[in-house]
Amino acid sequence: GQQVMQIPQYQHVQEGEDFTTYCNSSTTLSNIQWYKQRPGGHPVFLIQLVKSGEVKKQKRLTFQFGEAKKNSSLHITATQTTDVGTYFCAGPNTGNQFYFGTGTSLTVIP
Amino acid sequence: NAGVTQTPKFQVLKTGQSMTLQCAQDMNHEYMSWYRQDPGMGLRLIHYSVGAGITDQGEVPNGYNVSRSTTEDFPLRLLSAAPSQTSVYFCASSYSAGRYGYTFGSGTRLTVV
Repeated sequence: GQQVMQIPQYQHVQEGEDFTTYCNSSTTLSNIQWYKQRPGGHPVFLIQLVKSGEVKKQKRLTFQFGEAKKNSSLHITATQTTDVGTYFCAGPNTGNQFYFGTGTSLTVIP
Repeated sequence: NAGVTQTPKFQVLKTGQSMTLQCAQDMNHEYMSWYRQDPGMGLRLIHYSVGAGITDQGEVPNGYNVSRSTTEDFPLRLLSAAPSQTSVYFCASSYSAGRYGYTFGSGTRLTVV
């Protein structure tokens, strides 16, 4: 079955440093979604990418979808303490199931 | 709108007990699903439904049952609780499977002793 892998599993950064998490799928994805989960909270939808090579920005967050539609990345510029949390990518399989990556836990050191 | 409402927020069960985790959404979403979240394992799909009367299994369905009698409600039943089912359970809904963002409930933290 489909697997969605994320790296790194954990990342500690100083406030103001940049952060990137990578998502890789064993199969081609029709689209990919990104979520953020604050500590003790629930996942919250951030964005969906659909097109090959697509790049979308939300303030300091930049999302990319690979040309082959098998990988994606989330880059945060100049991290802030409000960025703390776990970031998940997720993608559908050929059916109606939606698989989440294992997530990257971001810690921002003030 | 309330979005996705899960009850209870916390529950402790003894091994062998059964219980139902409730999930309700008021967004008229056709697609609903249940995930469990364990440390280091991300979110794993238990069961999902593409509409009232239609359910199917995800990657970790054993020990759980679901039904979808209405568009709004999607309860998850634990038949005979086991310590391995200790986890945080999230219900999520969307307009359709995989083409729109999912709205998650606040979760149920379940401990089986």
